[in-house]
Amino acid sequence: EIVMTQSPATLSVSPGERATLSCRASQSVSSNLAWYHQKPGQAPRLLIYGASTRATGIPARFSGSGSGTEFTLTISSLQSEDFAVYYCQQYNNWPPYTFGQGTKLEIK
Amino acid sequence: EVQLVESGGGLVQPGGSLRLSCAASGFTFSSYSMNWVRQAPGKGLEWVSYISSGSSTIYYADSVKGRFTISRDNAKNSLYLQMNSLRDDDTAVYYCAREGYGGNSGIFDYWGQGTLVTVSS
Repeated sequence: EIVMTQSPATLSVSPGERATLSCRASQSVSSNLAWYHQKPGQAPRLLIYGASTRATGIPARFSGSGSGTEFTLTISSLQSEDFAVYYCQQYNNWPPYTFGQGTKLEIK
Repeated sequence: EVQLVESGGGLVQPGGSLRLSCAASGFTFSSYSMNWVRQAPGKGLEWVSYISSGSSTIYYADSVKGRFTISRDNAKNSLYLQMNSLRDDDTAVYYCAREGYGGNSGIFDYWGQGTLVTVSS
């Protein structure tokens, strides 16, 4: 089973600033990596797939990069609606699909 | 508009059973693989089970294998999860999620709102 590790656990950033979230896989997942965010009381929402492709309707301030074992999600200018928990997920070697433990992005 | 609506959650005693349903609309359900993903209170996401579009391929997480059964009825646009021998650590919100972007993509592009299962005596 591939273990996904996200860092940091919590990230405090001011609105309008840039946020950078990291995700590491225990072995290569190629570019088969997705990012989701989840607001309290809501279902997760797909942001990025294929490590760098934005999902339908996702603003351009969200960008993903990386391949193999190291991945990054960058939010260029944080809006109030972006404060949430972010999860990465690999779909290269499955079953099982595996998620990272999440990064909570909070307002500084 | 794609919609996934789960139902069937509730309070059940350890060792009990529960059947979750997910009603799909707004897309051709029979063309998509589907999954169940759960989230324990205050915890992260855990994949539970997968079923292919025609039900020919099914997978389970080790934590539920032998206790849970996934199924679907394409005529009724519905996905199911039969949960038996429930344990305390099965307590979670259960989401159904569609695999989008072609074939068995592993990309969960639409999620339901979730249904809470609480296992407690």
